[in-house]
Amino acid sequence: NAGVTQTPKFQVLKTGQSMTLQCAQDMNHNSMYWYRQDPGMGLRLIYYSASEGTTDKGEVPNGYNVSRLNKREFSLRLESAAPSQTSVYFCASSDRDSDTDTQYFGPGTRLTVL
Amino acid sequence: GEDVEQSLFLSVREGDSSVINCTYTDSSSTYLYWYKQEPGAGLQLLTYIFSNMDMKQDQRLTVLLNKKDKHLSLRIADTQTGDSAIYFCAESMVDNFNKFYFGSGTKLNVKP
Repeated sequence: NAGVTQTPKFQVLKTGQSMTLQCAQDMNHNSMYWYRQDPGMGLRLIYYSASEGTTDKGEVPNGYNVSRLNKREFSLRLESAAPSQTSVYFCASSDRDSDTDTQYFGPGTRLTVL
Repeated sequence: GEDVEQSLFLSVREGDSSVINCTYTDSSSTYLYWYKQEPGAGLQLLTYIFSNMDMKQDQRLTVLLNKKDKHLSLRIADTQTGDSAIYFCAESMVDNFNKFYFGSGTKLNVKP
């Protein structure tokens, strides 16, 4: 049981390049999330998916797109990377049917945009 | 939006107790959480408390919730160097499906 996995762990992009961050969970959770973490700002929600086939914007969605490929996988795409998107990206999943909304996090992807 | 605030730094000596504080603004929270983030890693759930509880104890961890003042604290007894990390509080809302709100994190430094 690997929990939440993310690839890649590190990435350096040039301004204007595109890339997709991958996330998968093996806990059969319905809900999945993408956050970014910037120094002194905690975590900010980019997009979330309450269930397979649905996605919704979070607090900071501009410049990103997401795809909930199936129940396990939730990808985040940067179509034209900008230096302001330099951050650490975390994927998380949760099971709304459980007693709590506990979110389980992946190890993160450290992205630098030059 | 919801506002969750924490102090940025806390430094303690090994063996002392640590108390990390958090304040929040929305009284419709359902659960309040404490997460730990070690360097280069993701967030790991430490403990949570339901909003109708005042206290929860789990081994060295004690969570206190003051609903009137909207204040949450995490006490770590007998703090060890391995407890050095960033600690985040977070809240979830009954009327805001799937939305978590995180504080900016408190960096705990434990000196030997």
